[in-house]
Amino acid sequence: DVKVTQSSRYLVKRTGEKVFLECVQDMDHENMFWYRQDPGLGLRLIYFSYDVKMKEKGDIPEGYSVSREKKERFSLILESASTNQTSMYLCASTHSGGQYFGPGTRLTVT
Amino acid sequence: AQSVTQLDSQVPVFEEAPVELRCNYSSSVSVYLFWYVQYPNQGLQLLLKYLSGSTLVKGINGFEAEFNKSQTSFHLRKPSVHISDTAEYFCAVRAGNMLTFGGGTRLMVKP
Repeated sequence: DVKVTQSSRYLVKRTGEKVFLECVQDMDHENMFWYRQDPGLGLRLIYFSYDVKMKEKGDIPEGYSVSREKKERFSLILESASTNQTSMYLCASTHSGGQYFGPGTRLTVT
Repeated sequence: AQSVTQLDSQVPVFEEAPVELRCNYSSSVSVYLFWYVQYPNQGLQLLLKYLSGSTLVKGINGFEAEFNKSQTSFHLRKPSVHISDTAEYFCAVRAGNMLTFGGGTRLMVKP
């Protein structure tokens, strides 16, 4: 079974803090994705990576950056967290036409 | 660019009744189509996918979906729902590496 894990299920941070969200997949997938999920808006793509050290902006990259130093790990970085970044963050990797998702990290910025 | 519209944000239904969750998409290129399910406090799980071939696709938990190219739809159906089907369902289209999601439909199954 494909496994995608995220470092935290729940996270509370203060405005202005630097936040790291980690995602690890164990199936040697090349493509990995970060989404945020907000009620009524579905999932919106923040960034994706198709190889180590490669990254592409998604639909809503503002306020975020990413890092992919190893194939299995894809990190999402909030350089200076703001309250409008309070959301559920989902990581995914791609295999055989479908995406496999991690359990999500619910981030609250106060 | 592609877009996905899920016409119903919430669908209440009684247990053992049939259900249809609607999904329409627009795209200028050929796409692959997916349905995902998200149970409370969990990540997304792939329910079924259409890549090619038969337009009627069967997935897990008794769900099926039919791809209709002329109507650009990919509606999800189940003939008899169970309480455990209560979840949020997302339709998605994929062009290249990009997956675009609809806003989600919350299925609420009542006893």
